[in-house]
Order: sequence, then structure tokens, then C-alpha cells
Amino acid sequence: SQQGEEDPQALSIQEGENATMNCSYKTSINNLQWYRQNSGRGLVHLILIRSNEREKHSGRLRVTLDTSKKSSSLLITASRAADTASYFCATDAVGSGNTPLVFGKGTRLSVIA
Amino acid sequence: KAGVTQTPRYLIKTRGQQVTLSCSPISGHRSVSWYQQTPGQGLQFLFEYFSETQRNKGNFPGRFSGRQFSNSRSEMNVSTLELGDSALYLCASSLVASGNEQFFGPGTRLTVL
Repeated sequence: SQQGEEDPQALSIQEGENATMNCSYKTSINNLQWYRQNSGRGLVHLILIRSNEREKHSGRLRVTLDTSKKSSSLLITASRAADTASYFCATDAVGSGNTPLVFGKGTRLSVIA
Repeated sequence: KAGVTQTPRYLIKTRGQQVTLSCSPISGHRSVSWYQQTPGQGLQFLFEYFSETQRNKGNFPGRFSGRQFSNSRSEMNVSTLELGDSALYLCASSLVASGNEQFFGPGTRLTVL
């Protein structure tokens, strides 16, 4: 079953605008990760934020984590046409032993030049 | 460092046949995870192998099986193929645990006719 739920399911913006995607999850986590997938290809890791962190930056990416609300957001600033892709959040749930990442269904981002 | 490789990239089979997919992880990575991706269900975790042992298993029927070799290369097998097995099968490797950053291969696109 899906642990993370991304919102919105699809997002269309103009080049240069900022894109914000949200992820909600259900259980306590060790970390939350964001991945990007270009059409029909493998996923690429973007950023990992640990449960004791609230915000993290990487280039044009900014991720926030609110464990009290069990939610995270991914902000892409000054978007480019090359950012067009699907974006997934993945959670590493707290549990006994090693637990696998659980992915949400993703947000499809279209950046129009 | 070479990335994760998957073979074959595309496969067409008919119902009732069986198929074997192969994954070579990044050198030094001991954890290999397999995912099934479909438009309806999204990314679903199949199983994870670590040091030749299955460490986690998703909620898939026994027709789906896998193994890992001493060089960390992994194979997954699907027997008695059904139409619903048509999907993109993704392999991901990580250094130690699947809850950490994962590196994905390009996937194998399986079509069952």
C-alpha cells in the first residue's frame, strides 16, 4: 500500500516560475526522500531529509519536513523545461529491522517554455 | 563508476510464459531492490536482497521470485505470466540498506500479450 500521497497529481507551469509539490505520509519515518523520473525511465534521487531535520536545500531544490503533520514539500525554484518529469516522495518507515522505501504515486510536472 | 544496469530493456511475452530479468548493481552496493511500476498502482515494492538473502518481500504472489548472487547481481523471475504483469520493472541498488538513497536502473519494460 502507498505510504506517501503526493499533491497535486499534475502541475503545469511556465518556465521561470516556482513549482511546489506536497507529500503526506501515514507512519513515523526515519527519513523522507524525493526522486525524479523522466518518462518511462529509472528514478533519480534528488534529496533526502531525516526525521530530525526541518528544511534542506540542494541547488534549486528546497525540501521541508513537518513530522507533526506527517507532510513534506518540494519546491523547485526558477523552473526549466528540463524539470518536466514525475516527482515521487519515498518514506523509510520506522520499524523493526530494515524496512523498504515506500513510494507515493507521484506528481507530474510540466514546465512550458 | 558505472550505474545500475538492467537487461533486457524491453521484452514481449505471451500469457503463461515465464521471464527472467537481470540487474547489475553499482560496484560495492550490497542491497538490491526490485519494484513494479504501472500507471494504475504506481511503484510497488517487490523484494529486496542483501548479501544473497531476501531481506524484505512485498505483497506479490509466489509467481514473482528473485535471487542474488555472490557478486551482488540479482535476477527476478515471473512465472505463468498474466496480462496484468505488463509493467516497467525497476531495479535499485544501495550501499547497505534499502531505506537509504537508492540508485535506479533504466528499467525493463515487459509487455504480456
